[in-house]
Amino acid sequence: DAGVIQSPRHEVTEMGQEVTLRCKPISGHDYLFWYRQTMMRGLELLIYFNNNVPIDDSGMPEDRFSAKMPNASFSTLKIQPSEPRDSAVYFCASRRNRGGGYTFGSGTRLTVV
Amino acid sequence: GQQLNQSPQSMFIQEGEDVSMNCTSSSIFNTWLWYKQDPGEGPVLLIALYKAGELTSNGRLTAQFGITRKDSFLNISASIPSDVGIYFCAGHGSGNTGKLIFGQGTTLQVKP
Repeated sequence: DAGVIQSPRHEVTEMGQEVTLRCKPISGHDYLFWYRQTMMRGLELLIYFNNNVPIDDSGMPEDRFSAKMPNASFSTLKIQPSEPRDSAVYFCASRRNRGGGYTFGSGTRLTVV
Repeated sequence: GQQLNQSPQSMFIQEGEDVSMNCTSSSIFNTWLWYKQDPGEGPVLLIALYKAGELTSNGRLTAQFGITRKDSFLNISASIPSDVGIYFCAGHGSGNTGKLIFGQGTTLQVKP
């Protein structure tokens, strides 16, 4: 089991550029979650999917953020255009069933300058 | 919405000491989970609790699901330097939304 795989691990980009973060969940897990972690706000849930369908995107901060899950093994989180306040660590997590714990990826550290 | 209040916010202890941290909620939670996050990594699940009153151990870690279903605690006995990190409580609230709610985290530092 390779765990949840995120790429890239680090991303530095200039303000205004498009950023795409990628996630491969654990095979067989039917829930996928995107979180953002900052010192000020801690872990914030951005959006989650069940069986590739977005269920709750109420945590997505603005229209600049979008997420897709075209199939059970891949999801993307896109920020366009990026702003310095988007700098944070973005985590992807997956889970097999509704009541269990999540398995997190190692995160993508995004810096927007 | 549902929130978790985790305390203390940070702890600085001597190696060998026992540690206790807790989480409370104003509403009932159906599941309590405890995670640890090492620097530069994602949170890792330590203990999961599914029934009120449940007491579960994982090595030197012990966690309990409060009888009222509104709180949980995590104890670490005989701390060691590798216990350093951020500990998060998390839970599934009512409504079967499928998403976990996280506490703010407890940062633990252990002095050798």
